[in-house]
Amino acid sequence: EVQLVESGGGLVQPGRSLRLSCAASGFTFDDYAMHWVRQAPGKGLEWVSGISWNSGSIGYADSVKGRFTISRDNAKNSLYLQMNSLRAEDTALYYCAKAITGVLQDAFDIWGQGTMVTVSS
Amino acid sequence: NFMLTQPHSVSESPGKTVTISCTRSSGSIASNYVQWYQQRPGSSPTTVIYEDNQRPSGVPDRFSGSIDSSSNSASLTISGLKTEDEADYYCQSYDSSNQVFGGGTKLTVL
Repeated sequence: EVQLVESGGGLVQPGRSLRLSCAASGFTFDDYAMHWVRQAPGKGLEWVSGISWNSGSIGYADSVKGRFTISRDNAKNSLYLQMNSLRAEDTALYYCAKAITGVLQDAFDIWGQGTMVTVSS
Repeated sequence: NFMLTQPHSVSESPGKTVTISCTRSSGSIASNYVQWYQQRPGSSPTTVIYEDNQRPSGVPDRFSGSIDSSSNSASLTISGLKTEDEADYYCQSYDSSNQVFGGGTKLTVL
């Protein structure tokens, strides 16, 4: 079964850091690009960041550029998001999503259940 | 960067057909594929249309997608509406550096 399981969310103070992880199973992880998409409470979907199959191409939303870093470990079938200088507006459910090919510019076909990040003092 | 604009909400009766639009603000709608995602309350999104008009396996043929270059928009059409189709629907596309989601449309089937 194809599965994505996010972890690492929680309550964090403004200005602090958090690292999210996404464990993939049921498919050949290093064949596909991967993304982080977030959803603030009661709001719509917002793309956060994406990484190509070999980490050769990486993209970030303007809202997180310079603060968040995406990475992947193909040997561990895992995707990560290092979030620094967190702000209240980063509060959201963070989804890990698999692309349908290895490049960034493509559709998503599999989504995880999400991990909640709450930034508050 | 471009934006994708969707109606905030639509409603229709069971058995009827509904169409949700998604208008691209700049650049051609045909320049990059458009996808559609369904999100039921309390659940993660799932793909109902990819590459403008392709259905993933398991998605019923009641769901169809299209693009219209004259209006620079994409559309998701759901025919034979069922109560289980009640959900939020998001269009999505991309350019060379970004992925973009529409604001979402709440479909009510009543």
